[in-house]
Amino acid sequence: DIVMTQSPDSLAVSLGERATINCKSSQSVLYNSNNKNYLAWYQQRSGQPPKLLISWASTRESGVPDRFSGSGSGTDFTLTISSLQAEDVAVYYCQQYYGSPPHTFGQGTKLEFK
Amino acid sequence: QVQLQQSGPGLMKPSQTLSLTCAISGDSVSSNSATWNWIRQSPSSGLEWLGRTYYRSRWYNDYAVSVKSRISINPDTSKNQFSLQLNSVTPEDTAVYYCARFRSTIGVDVWGQGTTVTVSS
Repeated sequence: DIVMTQSPDSLAVSLGERATINCKSSQSVLYNSNNKNYLAWYQQRSGQPPKLLISWASTRESGVPDRFSGSGSGTDFTLTISSLQAEDVAVYYCQQYYGSPPHTFGQGTKLEFK
Repeated sequence: QVQLQQSGPGLMKPSQTLSLTCAISGDSVSSNSATWNWIRQSPSSGLEWLGRTYYRSRWYNDYAVSVKSRISINPDTSKNQFSLQLNSVTPEDTAVYYCARFRSTIGVDVWGQGTTVTVSS
């Protein structure tokens, strides 16, 4: 199985400041035939199911604010929140969906206010 | 708008069979572009994919190795829903269980509301 490792486990950021979360996969999730990275980011607020933010490593879902951005390729990926807002306090997960299941998740990064 | 509505008990005793149902609105369990999954979440294991059912000219199922001997996921086309059965539960099966739609183009784009399942004697 592909192992997804996020860093850091928790992060405290001031309102309006940038937050950066990293995700590393144990093998490449880049499919060479279409040059797409099979990597998604999710946001989970307290008591809620996860919500899909970004697919293909960098494509924001409809309705997701543009302060959220994803980058990276192959095995190393980053989720950036350019200016932290109150409603962004949550746990963030990456997930690889390359090939057949299991489509494994990272352990999560808890984002809090400083 | 696609919605998934879960139902089923939340408190169980060891050795019992966990049964949960996920009713689909806005899409079809027979869709050729989606798979229908069960995922659970616990502090010890994080988000753990359990299995899926999907239709591509015929029905297919895939299960996680960790539960393969105890799990069954079945579609019900007459009610447009799918179900999870997990046999011989133990306290290690205590978790929040989610049903979810997965599409290979984007990932898990629709989640049920979650069911907290506690296994305790």
